[in-house]
Amino acid sequence: GIQVEQSPPDLILQEGANSTLRCNFSDSVNNLQWFHQNPWGQLINLFYIPSGTKQNGRLSATTVATERYSLLYISSSQTTDSGVYFCAVCISDNDMRFGAGTRLTVKP
Amino acid sequence: DVKVTQSSRYLVKRTGEKVFLECVQDMDHENMFWYRQDPGLGLRLIYFSYDVKMKEKGDIPEGYSVSREKKERFSLILESASTNQTSMYLCASSPTGPGRSNEQFFGPGTRLTVL
Repeated sequence: GIQVEQSPPDLILQEGANSTLRCNFSDSVNNLQWFHQNPWGQLINLFYIPSGTKQNGRLSATTVATERYSLLYISSSQTTDSGVYFCAVCISDNDMRFGAGTRLTVKP
Repeated sequence: DVKVTQSSRYLVKRTGEKVFLECVQDMDHENMFWYRQDPGLGLRLIYFSYDVKMKEKGDIPEGYSVSREKKERFSLILESASTNQTSMYLCASSPTGPGRSNEQFFGPGTRLTVL
């Protein structure tokens, strides 16, 4: 089956720093989503980005489908950005595969 | 905004009990999903439903069943709870069809502990 690999597994930043999270996938996909799981466990949708670049405030994402990777950029990080970031790819409408996540800790 | 709600945030049950986890979405989505999340194992799909009364097994359906009698509601049933079903359960929904994205939206999750 398709493999989804996220890097780095853990990331510790000082408040105000920038970061880049990476997601590699092993096969063609229909779409790709980035989520942030907050400390209470809820998965928050960040981006639905099968290809191209999108921006939302301090966050932006780029997916290069032909090269099978996606990047999530976080600029001017804040303590509220802490949590686990997941990349998930869809092979079909009903088959979404998640990466293992990147655990981000932003220190004040 | 899409809203997916789950009946309980925290639940404690005893081994052998029948457990119902309820999920409701308000965006008229066709697809609904139940996942469980465990440390080191990530999110794994238990069951999904693509229409009322329709269901398909996911990766780990053993020990679970589901019910979808109405489009907005998808229930996960643990027929006889066991300690290895202690987990975080996440419900999701997504639209489908021509011209629509299949973006999944998640509920807040239910942390189930089986004693």
